[in-house]
Amino acid sequence: TQLLEQSPQFLSIQEGENLTVYCNSSSVFSSLQWYRQEPGEGPVLLVTVVTGGEVKKLKRLTFQFGDARKDSSLHITAAQPGDTGLYLCAGRFTQYNFNKFYFGSGTKLNVKP
Amino acid sequence: GAVVSQHPSWVICKSGTSVKIECRSLDFQATTMFWYRQFPKQSLMLMATSNEGSKATYEQGVEKDKFLINHASLTLSTLTVTSAHPEDSSFYICSASRLAHSTDTQYFGPGTRLTVL
Repeated sequence: TQLLEQSPQFLSIQEGENLTVYCNSSSVFSSLQWYRQEPGEGPVLLVTVVTGGEVKKLKRLTFQFGDARKDSSLHITAAQPGDTGLYLCAGRFTQYNFNKFYFGSGTKLNVKP
Repeated sequence: GAVVSQHPSWVICKSGTSVKIECRSLDFQATTMFWYRQFPKQSLMLMATSNEGSKATYEQGVEKDKFLINHASLTLSTLTVTSAHPEDSSFYICSASRLAHSTDTQYFGPGTRLTVL
């Protein structure tokens, strides 16, 4: 059983559509990060959320952290082909090894022009 | 965000040789560095956690004698794949973090593509 469940695993949409990616756990996150990775490169940090109920925006990307700090979502408005990539959520837990980041399985997004 | 470099970016070697990969944090002191392995179209798999000046902590199933990790300073960690075999071919990524606070995150290097012939 994975500590983090990320969904969906794959998403193929047309340019201009909206989408949401989810990251859930049965445990409380002390912090959660969202990354975007392109083929052959390392993941790039998009955002870190810490406070329950927190909402952060990065241009067309909106990140929400659940009130109970057990779930998070990434919403992309009007997706562009440049948004194509692997989106990863990662979290730290006070309950488990605090000095370790646990990763979701990733969401492979393909935005078609 | 912080900058982490990795060298080399790709390497091709013969089976049985050893390969060293360097990970450097360029603009901050990283108390902890992580080494990951990533297979095509999959998420990252943590191999080991490296703290400066102490022995690395390896994840279950990762051979410590096969993947030697050294964290000699607050800005440098190395991963040596010893006696590499074709099944070790993969994308290896390091990350660096301070981990002083719960909000501290990790910053990734660009990765190293290892191909063992």
